[in-house]
Amino acid sequence: ILNVEQSPQSLHVQEGDSTNFTCSFPSSNFYALHWYRWETAKSPEALFVMTLNGDEKKKGRISATLNTKEGYSYLYIKGSQPEDSATYLCASSSNTGKLIFGQGTTLQVKP
Amino acid sequence: ETGVTQTPRHLVMGMTNKKSLKCEQHLGHNAMYWYKQSAKKPLELMFVYSLEERVENNSVPSRFSPECPNSSHLFLHLHTLQPEDSALYLCASSLGRVSNQPQHFGDGTRLSIL
Repeated sequence: ILNVEQSPQSLHVQEGDSTNFTCSFPSSNFYALHWYRWETAKSPEALFVMTLNGDEKKKGRISATLNTKEGYSYLYIKGSQPEDSATYLCASSSNTGKLIFGQGTTLQVKP
Repeated sequence: ETGVTQTPRHLVMGMTNKKSLKCEQHLGHNAMYWYKQSAKKPLELMFVYSLEERVENNSVPSRFSPECPNSSHLFLHLHTLQPEDSALYLCASSLGRVSNQPQHFGDGTRLSIL
């Protein structure tokens, strides 16, 4: 994998559903993996920064895992709420420090 | 309150105009970034400044000219832009250029080139 790829591109779920999406990134020269939430008409907001293989981070109902050997990260949202509707971006960096972003997963949570 | 403020929020300009985008942060960060987001494309890094020194120029055309007079302010000077430069321009800052620090973003400037 040469770029950062996110799937699915978009997702529609009902309120109360749990959901997850994937970020794939180059595993060679990996340094850090970032997740951001970007709500419409607002600025991207940092959720997590992970660096170690096997890292798991949690913030309320949102959690993320990291596998640096195979080059993927999962973001999980438990019991989705309408306010979780946003685009979720992941970004990977090598030891050069430069962040490469994926195209994002757009989540719509229906009440 | 994001801590990173960008002005203007919207800008419409002709191809022969010269304008500047401004970014300001008071988070005590010493690295600042310009990103471009075109429709249907990922966020694309344009420039990185660390301690007021440009450390990354991501093959950006010379019609975009960044300036970082101090660690709190970052400008993007625009001249002779093309229609394909219409995009959302985001500024971000972080504590140090090391990428294990989260970046804090502004709301962006929506730029339209006529």
